[in-house]
Amino acid sequence: GESVGLHLPTLSVQEGDNSIINCAYSNSASDYFIWYKQESGKGPQFIIDIRSNMDKRQGQRVTVLLNKTVKHLSLQIAATQPGDSAVYFCAETTNEKLTFGTGTRLTIIP
Amino acid sequence: KAGVTQTPRYLIKTRGQQVTLSCSPISGHRSVSWYQQTPGQGLQFLFEYFSETQRNKGNFPGRFSGRQFSNSRSEMNVSTLELGDSALYLCASSLNHPGTDTQYFGPGTRLTVL
Repeated sequence: GESVGLHLPTLSVQEGDNSIINCAYSNSASDYFIWYKQESGKGPQFIIDIRSNMDKRQGQRVTVLLNKTVKHLSLQIAATQPGDSAVYFCAETTNEKLTFGTGTRLTIIP
Repeated sequence: KAGVTQTPRYLIKTRGQQVTLSCSPISGHRSVSWYQQTPGQGLQFLFEYFSETQRNKGNFPGRFSGRQFSNSRSEMNVSTLELGDSALYLCASSLNHPGTDTQYFGPGTRLTVL
């Protein structure tokens, strides 16, 4: 079946460095992608989204890249801070519902 | 603008009981979706409601049901609880279409089945 997958389940990054979280998707019909951040005990928090007619979108300290040729999505976080520690999920929208990846736990090393 | 709210935040039930969870969407949002999150299965889509009608449904048994009221508030019900129903239940709201409008999540209801 269709699925959204993450390459790495855990990622440790030095504070101040840039983080890159990757995601592979298999449904070529997906046209809307979202990154969410989930901190312990909280619901997923919207970070940034991108539609299939774009290949890059920037927010505050975050950039999402979409490569439709290889069905790959990435989230870049600049100058990673301790508050960035969380689990990050990519999600694709197909048929009006979100399909989530398994998540990547980002740990910041002081 | 207030975010998505869910009540209660925590619930403990025993096998065989039933439970009702409540979700209030962001003001003006008409679509409400429900998700189940477990360590083993991750985030899985349960169903979506719009204008008091279930518009989309995931692959969960009939024990899981929901409804939406005219003010867009939504409830989900799980009957004949099983141990495997222990999970974080998340509600998300969007303006009209979860396929094109961003979904914003509530804090979730943590259900423990003993």
